[in-house]
This record gives sequence, C-alpha cells and structure tokens, in this order.
Amino acid sequence: ELKVEQNPLFLSMQEGKNYTIYCNYSTTSDRLYWYRQDPGKSLESLFVLLSNGAVKQEGRLMASLDTKARLSTLHITAAVHDLSATYFCAVDIPGGTSYGKLTFGQGTILTVHP
Amino acid sequence: SAVISQKPSRDICQRGTSLTIQCQVDSQVTMMFWYRQQPGQSLTLIATANQGSEATYESGFVIDKFPISRPNLTFSTLTVSNMSPEDSSIYLCSGSNSGNTIYFGEGSWLTVV
Repeated sequence: ELKVEQNPLFLSMQEGKNYTIYCNYSTTSDRLYWYRQDPGKSLESLFVLLSNGAVKQEGRLMASLDTKARLSTLHITAAVHDLSATYFCAVDIPGGTSYGKLTFGQGTILTVHP
Repeated sequence: SAVISQKPSRDICQRGTSLTIQCQVDSQVTMMFWYRQQPGQSLTLIATANQGSEATYESGFVIDKFPISRPNLTFSTLTVSNMSPEDSSIYLCSGSNSGNTIYFGEGSWLTVV
C-alpha cells in the first residue's frame, strides 16, 4: 500500500523567510503533484513533476522530485501572506493507462504572518 | 485544460436519505475519479469511474454505499446512499487524460444532519 507523508504538518512562517515542505512516499512512482487548497475551496494545481530530477518554479514556490529517494520538496522563498493555505502532495500509482489515481499526503497548513 | 463542474456545490441532507452529485467536464477525459475529504483531513480516493461499466472501488468503499455512473467521457455521478453524519464531507471529482495534469472540480460540500 502506498503511503505519502508530508512534513511538517503545520508551518508558521514570518514574511520574508524561506522554508521547505517535504513529501516522502513509500512506493516507486515517477509522477508527483503539488496542490494548494484555500479554506472553503477546491484544489489548485501547482506543479506536476514527471521524472527524476524534475524541478519546476512558479513565483516564490519551487518543487523538485527525487524518485530514487522517493522524496519531493516544495521550497518557499521570501514568504508572503498570500501563500497562506494548505499544501498537498499527491503521488500517482501508474498502472497501464490509469493515470490520475492519486494518493495524497496529509497536507501542510502554512500560515505566513508579519 | 479542462474545466470540471460539480452539482450541487453544497447541500444539507437528512440522515437516511441519498444524494446524487453530478460531475461534468467540458472536454473528454480518459479517466475520472471520485475523492472524499472529511473535515480537516486529506483526500481519499473513493473509486475510479469507468465509462460504461462498473466503477472500481478502493478499500473501505462499496458500491451499495457509493454507487457511481459514467455514461460517457465527460460526465459522472456519485450517489451517497443512506447518509449518516459521518458522511459529512467534501466530495470531489477529478479528470485526467495522460496524467500530465489532473483537474479537480470545485467540490460538493455535504452536511448530514
């Protein structure tokens, strides 16, 4: 059974600081997704990482994937209040054409304060 | 990209009743899935909605409780049957083609009283 673990689960950051959220998973997979969820909202797709060594950046967020270590990171640079949300990583178990069947991490609740 | 619409967006239901949630995609997708997000929790996969055949359920979910239909490549329904307060959750559908991007609907917020 695939397990996906995020840490930390709660992250309180000061504006302007940097931090990293870690996502470990237990079974070989080369597809990993990061999502953001605001309170009362659905999921917003942030990054799709499809191969070992993949790195993607959007604004203050950068995600990377190490399939050998079964580890993905979401790095936050110079945090701002607008980044406050819950962040989920999710791993796809490839099985023929069954792409999109995701196992989610527990989520990291990020709060950025002045 | 695909846009996924869900109906209803929110509902309050009496225990013992059933509710059907609709998921409409604005373009054809190969795969459709249904997830549940209980209050304060992460998302858990309920089932894969297979076009024209019975859905494939994950461990802990059964067809009698969560019947699913998918008559074509753009539409699916999830019914939550004989509801109890424990079924109060957000139900989300998702769609995918190659897996390069997986789209989620806005979610259906269900409260059972």
